[in-house]
Amino acid sequence: GAVVSQHPSRVICKSGTSVKIECRSLDFQATTMFWYRQFPKQSLMLMATSNEGSKATYEQGVEKDKFLINHASLTLSTLTVTSAHPEDSSFYICSATTVGETQYFGPGTRLLVL
Amino acid sequence: DQQVKQNSPSLSVQEGRISILNCDYTNSMFDYFLWYKKYPAEGPTFLISISSIKDKNEDGRFTVFLNKSAKHLSLHIVPSQPGDSAVYFCAASAKWSGGTASKLTFGTGTRLQVTL
Repeated sequence: GAVVSQHPSRVICKSGTSVKIECRSLDFQATTMFWYRQFPKQSLMLMATSNEGSKATYEQGVEKDKFLINHASLTLSTLTVTSAHPEDSSFYICSATTVGETQYFGPGTRLLVL
Repeated sequence: DQQVKQNSPSLSVQEGRISILNCDYTNSMFDYFLWYKKYPAEGPTFLISISSIKDKNEDGRFTVFLNKSAKHLSLHIVPSQPGDSAVYFCAASAKWSGGTASKLTFGTGTRLQVTL
C-alpha cells in the first residue's frame, strides 16, 4: 500500500501554545487528505477534509480557527492546533488519497497539552 | 448518531480458528466498505474493501461479506494467528461523490485477541 508519514510522532506542549503536525504522502500524489482525531477507546472522528489548493471542509463541531489546515501541495498537508488546551490532548491521524482510491493512513501524532 | 456500529468491543479466538468481526450500518447511501487494522499508537492499516455491487471479497486469509438488505458486513479471518491481535475498524463511505474523494465513517472498533 501507499506510504503516508506524519511528523512529529509525539509532542508535548504547554497550554496556550500552537502545535503544527505535518502529513506527507511519500509515494503518490494525494488530491485529498483527511484529518482525524481519536480519543482513548473511541473511534476515529473525522475533523476535516483537505483538498490541495482549496480551503479545508470542517466537520460539524470542529472549530476551523482552532484547527488550521493547509494543503499546500499534492504531498503535504499541515494541521496547526492553535492555543492548545489540555482537552485538545488526543491522537491525531491523517490519511491521504486520490479520487476513488482507498485512504491510506499516517502513523498518527500523539499530542499532550500540559 | 452512530452510522456505523460494531457492537462487539472485544473478541477472543484461539489460534487456527476463524475470527468473525461484525459491523452494521444505517446510512443507505453508503456503497463502499473497508476494514482497517490498528495497533495502539499507530495509524490504521488497510486490510480489505468491498463495493456494494458485490457480496463477497476475498484476499488471502481475509474475506469480507456484505449483506445489503440487512445493512451488515462481516470480516472473516481464517486461520487466525497471534499477529492478528489488534483493533479492527470497519468504515463506510459513499464512494463516488461528485468526483472527489469520499470521507469515511468509522465504527467504534473491535479488539481481537488471538490466543495460543
